[in-house]
Amino acid sequence: DADVTQTPRNRITKTGKRIMLECSQTKGHDRMYWYRQDPGLGLRLIYYSFDVKDINKGEISDGYSVSRQAQAKFSLSLESAIPNQTALYFCATSLAGEHQPQHFGDGTRLSIL
Amino acid sequence: SQQGEEDPQALSIQEGENATMNCSYKTSINNLQWYRQNSGRGLVHLILIRSNEREKHSGRLRVTLDTSKKSSSLLITASRAADTASYFCATRGSTLGRLYFGRGTQLTVWP
Repeated sequence: DADVTQTPRNRITKTGKRIMLECSQTKGHDRMYWYRQDPGLGLRLIYYSFDVKDINKGEISDGYSVSRQAQAKFSLSLESAIPNQTALYFCATSLAGEHQPQHFGDGTRLSIL
Repeated sequence: SQQGEEDPQALSIQEGENATMNCSYKTSINNLQWYRQNSGRGLVHLILIRSNEREKHSGRLRVTLDTSKKSSSLLITASRAADTASYFCATRGSTLGRLYFGRGTQLTVWP
């Protein structure tokens, strides 16, 4: 979905480095999400935000932090990267409401050596 | 876990055939959604079915939901090579608005 932009698309870095993945959206959605995808494990929720002042942990938040800088921007940080955080990371957005789909960016492929 | 589970993990068919994928889940839901992921891309929403609905259609897609069996199926009719992708079901529970994704079915459609 071109309305949800993730940067960078690919990143290779070393253990112990701090990394920030950025997500911006032009859809005007209040809700934003960060997921991690590993082969054979599907998508797992890291953090989510229902508005600028709302941040919630997902099922695998340890080792990650987030910042909701504006309605349109939601960043994910790895404070001290470790190899098992190598994965494909996705940002998603949605409208509020019970029956709303999520709209995904094209992902960031992160490799930690 | 609220995570859905898709079955089969992989499915390989010829163009023109129908493809059926199943999803089972464990807890009560508000809705169930199906997404497609092409290689190297993000997930794309296909169809949403609410808990009080039993069947829904969108183009060549047909989704059924059986809340008594906690299961759903996605049928793609007259498959095309362009349908080759991974397909995920995702369930939304009654609280917090979170989605729980399954591990996906990899569909390959041969020309």
